[in-house]
Amino acid sequence: KAGVTQTPRYLIKTRGQQVTLSCSPISGHRSVSWYQQTPGQGLQFLFEYFSETQRNKGNFPGRFSGRQFSNSRSEMNVSTLELGDSALYLCASSLMAGEGEKLFFGSGTQLSVL
Amino acid sequence: GESVGLHLPTLSVQEGDNSIINCAYSNSASDYFIWYKQESGKGPQFIIDIRSNMDKRQGQRVTVLLNKTVKHLSLQIAATQPGDSAVYFCAENILPGGSYIPTFGRGTSLIVHP
Repeated sequence: KAGVTQTPRYLIKTRGQQVTLSCSPISGHRSVSWYQQTPGQGLQFLFEYFSETQRNKGNFPGRFSGRQFSNSRSEMNVSTLELGDSALYLCASSLMAGEGEKLFFGSGTQLSVL
Repeated sequence: GESVGLHLPTLSVQEGDNSIINCAYSNSASDYFIWYKQESGKGPQFIIDIRSNMDKRQGQRVTVLLNKTVKHLSLQIAATQPGDSAVYFCAENILPGGSYIPTFGRGTSLIVHP
C-alpha cells in the first residue's frame, strides 16, 4: 500500500505570492491533517479534514486554508506569502478522525519564501 | 508556553546502550500519547502509542512509560542502534469539541555513536 504522497517536494516562492500544496493520503484513509514544521516552533497543527469537512483548525491566520476532495486528497493554500512562512509543510492521514488515531506522515513540502 | 515539552534537546549514546527520552505534558485531560521518530528528510514515523488507562506499553525494542501523576512520558529504546539516530517527538492528543488535535513537543535529537 502506497504511503502518503506530498507534492511538490521543494518549492521556492517570493513574498506576496500564493502557493498550493497537494497531499494524497493512504488509500482508505479519510482524515487528512496538515502541519507546519520550523526549527523555532517545531511541529504545529494547521487543520484537519474528514469527509471533505474541516473538523479542526489550529492557530494560524486566515491566509492558510485548505480543502479536501471526495477522494480524500487534500490541498492547502497559503496566500500573500511572508518570509516567516518558510517551513516544511507536512501532511498526515489516518483511518478515522476523532478516535485518537495514529498519523501517517508524508515526507513534506519544503517551502522557501524569498 | 508549550503544553508538551522535552527535558533534553540532544541525547548521545553508544551503540548497544539503552536510551531514554523524556517528555513532559501539561494538559491533564490528554488521554492519548504517541511517540514519533523523524529521520532527516522524512516525515515523522509512528513508533508507539499509549492511552491514559495504561502506564506501560512495550513494542519491539521500545517501551513507553506514562506517569499521569507528574504528567510525564518516556520512551525507552533497548540496544540502541545507529539506525535509531533521529529526532523523537512525543505528542499528546487534546480533545476540544469532539475531535483530537495532537500537540507535539519540540523533539529530542538522538545521536548513536558506533
